[in-house]
Amino acid sequence: QQPVQSPQAVILREGEDAVINCSSSKALYSVHWYRQKHGEAPVFLMILLKGGEQKGHEKISASFNEKKQQSSLYLTASQLSYSGTYFCGGGSNYKLTFGKGTLLTVNP
Amino acid sequence: DVKVTQSSRYLVKRTGEKVFLECVQDMDHENMFWYRQDPGLGLRLIYFSYDVKMKEKGDIPEGYSVSREKKERFSLILESASTNQTSMYLCASRVDQEKLFFGSGTQLSVL
Repeated sequence: QQPVQSPQAVILREGEDAVINCSSSKALYSVHWYRQKHGEAPVFLMILLKGGEQKGHEKISASFNEKKQQSSLYLTASQLSYSGTYFCGGGSNYKLTFGKGTLLTVNP
Repeated sequence: DVKVTQSSRYLVKRTGEKVFLECVQDMDHENMFWYRQDPGLGLRLIYFSYDVKMKEKGDIPEGYSVSREKKERFSLILESASTNQTSMYLCASRVDQEKLFFGSGTQLSVL
């Protein structure tokens, strides 16, 4: 029942772009994106709601294809601070379940 | 700022012990969640609660129970701890369908 994320891991050089994908087999009311650095709690990045509303980080963009139940997170001109594990979460009613995560490493 | 407080950062227990993990939030959020995090498995939902005394099973509820007697407090209970319950446990809360606020986590080791 967990959303499926891809890729599992990606390595970038500073300034490069990346896309992280998330798909669900169940209908979603919302998609959440969080980033977690080692030893810390996950931090909110963005929510995408059914109907097109988005709330979140100004410098991060994402999309949500309601028909396909797929979402993508776009990281452009990556910075060293973007390194961490990215989780997508799928919400329906009150429940919110997460994928296994994508480990993003940005090198100088 | 919203604060979600988990009572212990590190906890070591013996197999068979009854374990309580406590979580308190200070923003009157209706919804509270317990996740466990294991390497390679992501965040897996154990239980969630959408109101006082209301609870629902998540994806991996076996071996766990929860209690929510007051709105601000959500407790995770391991009735008889086992070594396969060694994990990082994260509590979170939110209002409606808004973003989650996470606690700093409890690293539980069951020996």
